[in-house]
Amino acid sequence: SQQGEEDPQALSIQEGENATMNCSYKTSINNLQWYRQNSGRGLVHLILIRSNEREKHSGRLRVTLDTSKKSSSLLITASRAADTASYFCATGPYNQGGKLIFGQGTELSVKP
Amino acid sequence: DAGVIQSPRHEVTEMGQEVTLRCKPISGHDYLFWYRQTMMRGLELLIYFNNNVPIDDSGMPEDRFSAKMPNASFSTLKIQPSEPRDSAVYFCASSFTGVASYEQYFGPGTRLTVT
Repeated sequence: SQQGEEDPQALSIQEGENATMNCSYKTSINNLQWYRQNSGRGLVHLILIRSNEREKHSGRLRVTLDTSKKSSSLLITASRAADTASYFCATGPYNQGGKLIFGQGTELSVKP
Repeated sequence: DAGVIQSPRHEVTEMGQEVTLRCKPISGHDYLFWYRQTMMRGLELLIYFNNNVPIDDSGMPEDRFSAKMPNASFSTLKIQPSEPRDSAVYFCASSFTGVASYEQYFGPGTRLTVT
């Protein structure tokens, strides 16, 4: 069964705007990660946040994690047309080593 | 490093035929994962290995699917016999957890079409 549920399923914005994607999960986790997938390609890791962290930044990416609500958000600031892709959250279940469970993804379209 | 290598990139086969997908993980990685991606079901974890040993194969859809990892540099996913509903993109990924880093590196995928 899917661990992560993402919201929205699809998001369309203009270049320069910010994009926010949300992820909810069900069980205890070790870490939560965000991945990007361009059409027809493999997934690429973007950022990892551990269960004892609340916020993390990487370039134009900002991830938050609220373990009490079992939710995370990914913010992409000043979006570009090249950010158009599908974004997936993935949760690392507690005590299951390197295993990840992926959500269904958010399809982001950034219009120039 | 060349990254995770998968072959073939595309496979078209007829129902009932055997299909073998191959994966070479990144050197030094201790975990290897096989995923299947479809529009209907999203990205599903089929099976994963740790140090060449299968840890969890609960995602393997049925007995027609089997996976092996004979050594740290090679893994196969076999479907026998194949069915049209097996059509999907199959991804292999690897990771190194030695420094508590859990990010996975994905291969380009194998697009399987079963007619």
